[in-house]
Amino acid sequence: KQEVTQIPAALSVPEGENLVLNCSFTDSAIYNLQWFRQDPGKGLTSLLLIQSSQREQTSGRLNASLDKSSGRSTLYIAASQPGDSATYLCAVRPNNAGGTSYGKLTFGQGTILTVHP
Amino acid sequence: EAGVAQSPRYKIIEKRQSVAFWCNPISGHATLYWYQQILGQGPKLLIQFQNNGVVDDSQLPKDRFSAERLKGVDSTLKIQPAKLEDSAVYLCASSGLASVGREQFFGPGTRLTVL
Repeated sequence: KQEVTQIPAALSVPEGENLVLNCSFTDSAIYNLQWFRQDPGKGLTSLLLIQSSQREQTSGRLNASLDKSSGRSTLYIAASQPGDSATYLCAVRPNNAGGTSYGKLTFGQGTILTVHP
Repeated sequence: EAGVAQSPRYKIIEKRQSVAFWCNPISGHATLYWYQQILGQGPKLLIQFQNNGVVDDSQLPKDRFSAERLKGVDSTLKIQPAKLEDSAVYLCASSGLASVGREQFFGPGTRLTVL
């Protein structure tokens, strides 16, 4: 059974800092890994999706890396801003036989990020 | 392109009452998901539809929860009767064959409070 763990559970940083959020998963047979952002009382917004064959993806100030063999992913946020304050969730999708996947996402519990001015 | 729509956004009921949630996925998306997110936890899949057929409902408490997706478009999730532990946010998501990596797009969720 796939288990996803995110460290730290909460993080508070001053504006402008670079920071790293960690995600680990127990089963390396994944189709892809997705990072989401969730604002209080809102749904999930997809930030980055990394296919199992990829090592990293970048979008603006965000960079996500994937090391499938060690079961780890990191989300790097450069020059953090108060508007980055939210809960960040990672989720993995299993790899079915044949390289396709209709599998469900398994989520971590999230990292609550607070960026103060 | 319109996103995933859900209603209602908030619902407060007493235990043992019934409640229903509605989801309209992104146009053309064949796969629809219902997730339950309890406060402080990541979302947990309840049921996954491919068109109007069920692909995975292994974590759906079938004694009280039911879901349907008639005509392969809109979906309804029902709880009958509700328990206190059902208090959570219920998220609907959809994905399409054209979505890179079968990326899932989420709606705003319905926050359910059971008193």
